[in-house]
Amino acid sequence: KQEVTQIPAALSVPEGENLVLNCSFTDSAIYNLQWFRQDPGKGLTSLLLIQSSQREQTSGRLNASLDKSSGRSTLYIAASQPGDSATYLCAVEGSARQLTFGSGTQLTVLP
Amino acid sequence: DAGVIQSPRHEVTEMGQEVTLRCKPISGHNSLFWYRQTMMRGLELLIYFNNNVPIDDSGMPEDRFSAKMPNASFSTLKIQPSEPRDSAVYFCASSFAGDRAQITDTQYFGPGTRLTVL
Repeated sequence: KQEVTQIPAALSVPEGENLVLNCSFTDSAIYNLQWFRQDPGKGLTSLLLIQSSQREQTSGRLNASLDKSSGRSTLYIAASQPGDSATYLCAVEGSARQLTFGSGTQLTVLP
Repeated sequence: DAGVIQSPRHEVTEMGQEVTLRCKPISGHNSLFWYRQTMMRGLELLIYFNNNVPIDDSGMPEDRFSAKMPNASFSTLKIQPSEPRDSAVYFCASSFAGDRAQITDTQYFGPGTRLTVL
């Protein structure tokens, strides 16, 4: 059974810092990996999707990498802003199209 | 596009009552997912449909839970009878699941229904 772990569970940084969120998964037989953002009381917003054949994806200040063989992904946020404060969730998609989610990293960017 | 629409946004009910959650996926999407989110267990997939057909309901906790998708633009998740441990936020998500060679499997989530069972 796929298990997804995210470290750290919570992170607080001053505005302007670059930061890295980590995600690991136990079964490397995945089709893709997705990073989502969840604001309090809201649904999830997809940030980046990395196909299993890809190594990284970039969108603005966000860069996600994938090392399928080692079961790891990182989400890099450059020049963090208070508006980046949210919970970031990593999810992997298996062969049957289900997403298995990590428990998330709660990020607070202090002004 | 209005995105995935869920109703109601909040539901408070008493133990033993029937609860029906509703979802309208994004037009043109052919896959629909129901998730449950709790502090203890995080986000869990309950069931998903492809082309209105249930593909995997192994995440449905027990027989009290049932889901239907009568057409491409509407799905329901029903709990009967409800119990306090069912209290959670229930999310619906949709995606376009095409050929694996042209994956556009990004799932788009609705705002969720916060269910409280007293």
